[in-house]
Amino acid sequence: GQQLNQSPQSMFIQEGEDVSMNCTSSSIFNTWLWYKQDPGEGPVLLIALYKAGELTSNGRLTAQFGITRKDSFLNISASIPSDVGIYFCAGRTTNRGSTLGRLYFGRGTQLTVWP
Amino acid sequence: GAVVSQHPSWVICKSGTSVKIECRSLDFQATTMFWYRQFPKQSLMLMATSNEGSKATYEQGVEKDKFLINHASLTLSTLTVTSAHPEDSSFYICSASLLAAGPYNEQFFGPGTRLTVL
Repeated sequence: GQQLNQSPQSMFIQEGEDVSMNCTSSSIFNTWLWYKQDPGEGPVLLIALYKAGELTSNGRLTAQFGITRKDSFLNISASIPSDVGIYFCAGRTTNRGSTLGRLYFGRGTQLTVWP
Repeated sequence: GAVVSQHPSWVICKSGTSVKIECRSLDFQATTMFWYRQFPKQSLMLMATSNEGSKATYEQGVEKDKFLINHASLTLSTLTVTSAHPEDSSFYICSASLLAAGPYNEQFFGPGTRLTVL
């Protein structure tokens, strides 16, 4: 299946700093999604991107759908302790056949925020 | 909106027993539900895709006779781990989506079920 390369694998930052993480793929995606997972919980959708070049914000979070459709990044500005968690990128290719709606996930970025 | 629940949140069972996990979409009708497995410090691995009223589509390497999936209604899917063994211990997460344009056509995840097989 498609492989998503997500980096960095982990980040240790101080409260107030900005954070950036990205995902790249060898395949084209029609949708890029960013999820956050807290320990022992399911992922929560943060931002959904549907058009190449699209830049979308959700509070302190900003994500972009790369022009080539093979990459996306997520920025978090002015980090706070509750930003701690694992952030996953996910891509979706086509909406045909049995792979309808199927997502491919990155390996995740573990974010730690020091007060 | 877009709330997905799972039950139980955790379960401990003896080797050889079967365990059923329920996934419900609480405020929307889910045409499709997905089951994932996640090992510690790893990403989500898709096990199967389930459409209401039809057989689930399993990913390569996932034993359909071991992981029985039933999607009997638009709000409920169940995963039964049959004859569980310690290597089946994992975090099982479901997601649900409505395959139509609108706010629910993305996958919304349940809180997960921690399975420990002794």
